[in-house]
Amino acid sequence: QQQVKQSPQSLIVQKGGISIINCAYENTAFDYFPWYQQFPGKGPALLIAIRPDVSEKKEGRFTISFNKSAKQFSLHIMDSQPGDSATYFCAANSGNTPLVFGKGTRLSVIA
Amino acid sequence: DAGVTQSPTHLIKTRGQQVTLRCSPKSGHDTVSWYQQALGQGPQFIFQYYEEEERQRGNFPDRFSGHQFPNYSSELNVNALLLGDSALYLCASSLGPKNTGELFFGEGSRLTVL
Repeated sequence: QQQVKQSPQSLIVQKGGISIINCAYENTAFDYFPWYQQFPGKGPALLIAIRPDVSEKKEGRFTISFNKSAKQFSLHIMDSQPGDSATYFCAANSGNTPLVFGKGTRLSVIA
Repeated sequence: DAGVTQSPTHLIKTRGQQVTLRCSPKSGHDTVSWYQQALGQGPQFIFQYYEEEERQRGNFPDRFSGHQFPNYSSELNVNALLLGDSALYLCASSLGPKNTGELFFGEGSRLTVL
């Protein structure tokens, strides 16, 4: 049973454009929703995270939008840059459950 | 400030063999979690260690076992290796026994089983 479903599997965006990655979750007990960024040959690194008491969180060019009723959340990367090219994972957990990850989205930002 | 370090970075084994992977957590962290990341997939939780005990376990067979030492470092052991065990094994550290979504990952140990 996949607890976090992520789409799209891959994404190509022009430099300066907006990258949007979506996730849906099933477990209503989840209370922490992070996004991780992974470059080739590296481990995942926490990028930005949100809790369900807010609908949006912004850090620089990265924004998480959260829809509790729909059990969905998304990552928006504004003004996408070639250096943003990486694999992005959505994830979720609660105090009683370990972090579960989506299958990942491979983002390529082309000039 | 030393981050999470893992060894070895790459290794090749044959079916039926046993492997031990090692992890040192980020300075100040006392909890270690292990994840398996198959090619093109997201990390999957194997187990978590805190105070030298396995606190939680994912859906992995008993061939996967671990250990945590008094200095918080950890080992992952896999017995009777199968081809399907080929993956990147990630160690992540955090502070305290409560599940946190803020994990610090190492660069992983890439295991190839032939």
